[in-house]
Amino acid sequence: QVKLLQSGAALVKPGASVKMSCKASGYTFTDYWVSWVKQSHGKSLEWIGEIYPNSGATNFNEKFKGKATLTVDKSTSTAYMELSRLTSEDSAIYYCTTTPFAYWGQGTLVTVSS
Amino acid sequence: DIQMTQSPSSMSVSLGDTVTITCRASQDVGIYVNWFQQKPGKSPRRMIYRATNLADGVPSRFSGSRSGSDYSLTISSLESEDVADYHCLQYDEYPYTFGAGTKLELK
Repeated sequence: QVKLLQSGAALVKPGASVKMSCKASGYTFTDYWVSWVKQSHGKSLEWIGEIYPNSGATNFNEKFKGKATLTVDKSTSTAYMELSRLTSEDSAIYYCTTTPFAYWGQGTLVTVSS
Repeated sequence: DIQMTQSPSSMSVSLGDTVTITCRASQDVGIYVNWFQQKPGKSPRRMIYRATNLADGVPSRFSGSRSGSDYSLTISSLESEDVADYHCLQYDEYPYTFGAGTKLELK
């Protein structure tokens, strides 16, 4: 069955960067876009962007351009998202999901604190 | 950006109720609306895709409908396992956008 396994929680200092992973299994990784979604305050969801593993093509929410970088490693069927110049506003749970959102990872909690 | 105005933000419900949650799109998004259920500490689960299609494994008491720019999720005969947060999403136009969410609580 399809699984998306995300990396563990991260505690990072303001101004630093964090890179999280999403390892896919149970389907052909290069066939589907992978989206990333932010959930703040336990409720609202925001779409950050998506990457097509076959080509590396990306689409971003303008709000997250310059904040998020999306990459993939086709050899390991893993998608990555790096968030830079972290502030308290970046503290959230981040999910990876296959577009159109049928399958979701378990989420990665990022806490930005000194 | 397309706004998905979701209502109500919360709802007090009883077991056996019929519950309807609505999202109004600020622009035409066609059929490209999904509905998700989310329980505390869990990832969202897709319940409805393309506005009216029941996702795999979802009970038939869930249904999705569309009337113009209004999209609705209806739960017939609410069961205890249905008490959760619900989110709508439009994926017709970038950036994809979610509604603000609806929290169902038992009376």
